[in-house]
Amino acid sequence: DTGVSQDPRHKITKRGQNVTFRCDPISEHNRLYWYRQTLGQGPEFLTYFQNEAQLEKSRLLSDRFSAERPKGSFSTLEIQRTEQGDSAMYLCASSKWTGIGNQPQHFGDGTRLSIL
Amino acid sequence: EDQVTQSPEALRLQEGESSSLNCSYTVSGLRGLFWYRQDPGKGPEFLFTLYSAGEEKEKERLKATLTKKESFLHITAPKPEDSATYLCAVQGETSGSRLTFGEGTQLTVNP
Repeated sequence: DTGVSQDPRHKITKRGQNVTFRCDPISEHNRLYWYRQTLGQGPEFLTYFQNEAQLEKSRLLSDRFSAERPKGSFSTLEIQRTEQGDSAMYLCASSKWTGIGNQPQHFGDGTRLSIL
Repeated sequence: EDQVTQSPEALRLQEGESSSLNCSYTVSGLRGLFWYRQDPGKGPEFLFTLYSAGEEKEKERLKATLTKKESFLHITAPKPEDSATYLCAVQGETSGSRLTFGEGTQLTVNP
């Protein structure tokens, strides 16, 4: 049983460049979430999908951020014109929504973004 | 707006010395309270879900409890491998599927 997979694990880029991260959820999970975590803080919600539909976006998700889940499987998170403040760990999580109860979200090991 | 406060920020224990971590929360209609463990450089690992006051869950040396205002994670006779950051998160009725996390408690267990 494979878990949530994120790629790359680390990304170093210069300020102003665009970056894209990929997340592959647990195969039978229909919900996929993106969070951002800075050092010493808990994860902060960014957005989530049910299948291919993006159902909610946080105020933290500026117009430089865009997320897609085109076929309801993997997802990508793109950050355009990166800024120093974008340096963080970007975490992806997935869960199975059955319409009953709240299934736990299972996280990947994240992509650590460093802006030079 | 959902809020979670965890205490203490950091805790050092000797192996075998039992203790508790606290998670205080404010939420408009609790749909679930979640405990995660996070090791350095890794993503959070799911431990427990609690849904209603009075509920308890156990797993090895860990036991989570829930009241209407807070949750405790009790660690009995901890071992060095229990060292990690423990995160608490809530999901409220008005917050959709998002989890709101606390800042975590960094636990160190010395041999």
